[in-house]
Amino acid sequence: AQKVTQAQTEISVVEKEDVTLDCVYETRDTTYYLFWYKQPPSGELVFLIRRNSFDEQNEISGRYSWNFQKSTSSFNFTITASQVVDSAVYFCALSEVIMNTGFQKLVFGTGTRLLVSP
Amino acid sequence: GAVVSQHPSRVICKSGTSVKIECRSLDFQATTMFWYRQFPKQSLMLMATSNEGSKATYEQGVEKDKFLINHASLTLSTLTVTSAHPEDSSFYICSAKDRVWNTEAFFGQGTRLTVV
Repeated sequence: AQKVTQAQTEISVVEKEDVTLDCVYETRDTTYYLFWYKQPPSGELVFLIRRNSFDEQNEISGRYSWNFQKSTSSFNFTITASQVVDSAVYFCALSEVIMNTGFQKLVFGTGTRLLVSP
Repeated sequence: GAVVSQHPSRVICKSGTSVKIECRSLDFQATTMFWYRQFPKQSLMLMATSNEGSKATYEQGVEKDKFLINHASLTLSTLTVTSAHPEDSSFYICSAKDRVWNTEAFFGQGTRLTVV
């Protein structure tokens, strides 16, 4: 069965520090998708990135960057020069094919709470 | 990205009553919608998957008679918590997947249910 592990329960940093959130996954599927979502205190889930299992190129979007390594089954997320507004819970997720339907659902990690202080 | 609207954002109800939560896709047709439950400081747990025009598929351990899901159109799914009890108090959040991006899920704002 699919599994997503976010070993870091909570991380505290001071503004302007760089921080990396770890995500390790397990899957038997050859084709899958990995996601990162941000959940601020208000509760909604904000989509950050989706990555195809065949695309191992690292991606950068502003202060955000992602490092996908199939060899270690990891999809780590780095925030550069963190800001107070980055404080939130971040979830890593893996798509899982629902048997007999062809549809995919998401399997979430337990989340990492990031606290950025001024 | 696509917009998913969930209503209400907060609801307080008395024990024994039923509560309906709506999930709408505003600018796309959602062939599949998902309902999740999240307890404080925990991850999201999938409750059920609903496909337009067919019965929902419930995850193991989720009571289908207690959590009624209806996906009558390509833009609306509803979750009804029947005969709610205090232990049903939780954060419920839906997501929707459209026809094109078959592997991407857009989430609603969530509904915080408190049963007193």
